[in-house]
Amino acid sequence: AQSVAQPEDQVNVAEGNPLTVKCTYSVSGNPYLFWYVQYPNRGLQFLLKYITGDNLVKGSYGFEAEFNKSQTSFHLKKPSALVSDSALYFCAVRDPIAGNMLTFGGGTRLMVKP
Amino acid sequence: DAGITQSPRHKVTETGTPVTLRCHQTENHRYMYWYRQDPGHGLRLIHYSYGVKDTDKGEVSDGYSVSRSKTEDFLLTLESATSSQTSVYFCATLDSYNQPQHFGDGTRLSIL
Repeated sequence: AQSVAQPEDQVNVAEGNPLTVKCTYSVSGNPYLFWYVQYPNRGLQFLLKYITGDNLVKGSYGFEAEFNKSQTSFHLKKPSALVSDSALYFCAVRDPIAGNMLTFGGGTRLMVKP
Repeated sequence: DAGITQSPRHKVTETGTPVTLRCHQTENHRYMYWYRQDPGHGLRLIHYSYGVKDTDKGEVSDGYSVSRSKTEDFLLTLESATSSQTSVYFCATLDSYNQPQHFGDGTRLSIL
């Protein structure tokens, strides 16, 4: 069965500093990986995805993520955090072999302080 | 997402009453999903649809039913609501499996 873990419930970072939100996954086959962001009282918004190709994926709002197959990780990163980046972030995985359902991690709340 | 409308956005009801949530899409996406979001659990799949009148169960389907009579509409029904079904419910659509799902803005359901 596929699974996703986001080990940190909350990440705190100062504005202007780099940020990392961690995600590890478990699948049988080659994963499709996604990051979403959720602002208060809104649905999830897509940030970026990894399907195949370059391990470093660039997405919306200056975010990027690195696919690391040996460590089964897909950490979300941004070189310089903004206060407006404060939100709830979800990592998700789909295993095309096991079926096509999307499994979500529990979410990580990012707090960027001025 | 501009192409997905969930209604109602908020609802308060009593235990034992039936509740129907509606998801309407203008994207013409084949696949539609209902999730519930609870603190510490992320999003959990309730039911999904892979076409008109084609639906299947997700991870937490007990107490829920769905129907899809048209491509654009996906209904979620709680036949007899319980307090454990208090949650935020999200609808999502999908065009193809290597693409991201698109989400509505959710329905906040409180069952007293």
